[in-house]
Amino acid sequence: AQSVTQPDIHITVSEGASLELRCNYSYGATPYLFWYVQSPGQGLQLLLKYFSGDTLVQGIKGFEAEFKRSQSSFNLRKPSVHWSDAAEYFCAVGAPKTSYDKVIFGPGTSLSVIP
Amino acid sequence: EAGVAQSPRYKIIEKRQSVAFWCNPISGHATLYWYQQILGQGPKLLIQFQNNGVVDDSQLPKDRFSAERLKGVDSTLKIQPAKLEDSAVYLCASSLASGNSYNEQFFGPGTRLTVL
Repeated sequence: AQSVTQPDIHITVSEGASLELRCNYSYGATPYLFWYVQSPGQGLQLLLKYFSGDTLVQGIKGFEAEFKRSQSSFNLRKPSVHWSDAAEYFCAVGAPKTSYDKVIFGPGTSLSVIP
Repeated sequence: EAGVAQSPRYKIIEKRQSVAFWCNPISGHATLYWYQQILGQGPKLLIQFQNNGVVDDSQLPKDRFSAERLKGVDSTLKIQPAKLEDSAVYLCASSLASGNSYNEQFFGPGTRLTVL
């Protein structure tokens, strides 16, 4: 069964600084990988996803993530953080060719942005 | 296009009471999910429907939780009786029919339940 960890519970960055959120997964083959963002009081929104192919994927809101098979990682990055990026970020993993699009979510990383 | 609708947005009850949450998925989405998100944790899948059939309910506490999707459209999740540890946000999501390719899940705003 697949699983995902996010080592950082909370991160604080200054506005305009770069950001990297870490995600590690456990799965026997190449999984589907996702990053979601959850703003206070709102549901989850998909930032980006990786299924196959180019290991650097671009998402919405200026985010990107890189799949590294050798490290079982899928870290999320943004070159310059905006105050509106303050939110909870969840990495998720899905198992290809299993039924019904099930994904497992990590525990989340809370991002605070200092003006 | 309208998103996933959930009601109520907030609910406060006392332990041992019952509560129900409602979800209306995006039109045309055959798959519907209910997640439980405890504070400080990621969402945990409780139950997944494909049309009006249950696909996965392995993590649903069936002694107190129940869910139905009778006409394959909207769904209700019920807790009876509620316990303190049921305090959480209950998220509903929907996606197009599942198959060999992954279909993105779209999430509603959630219902925040507080059990006193």
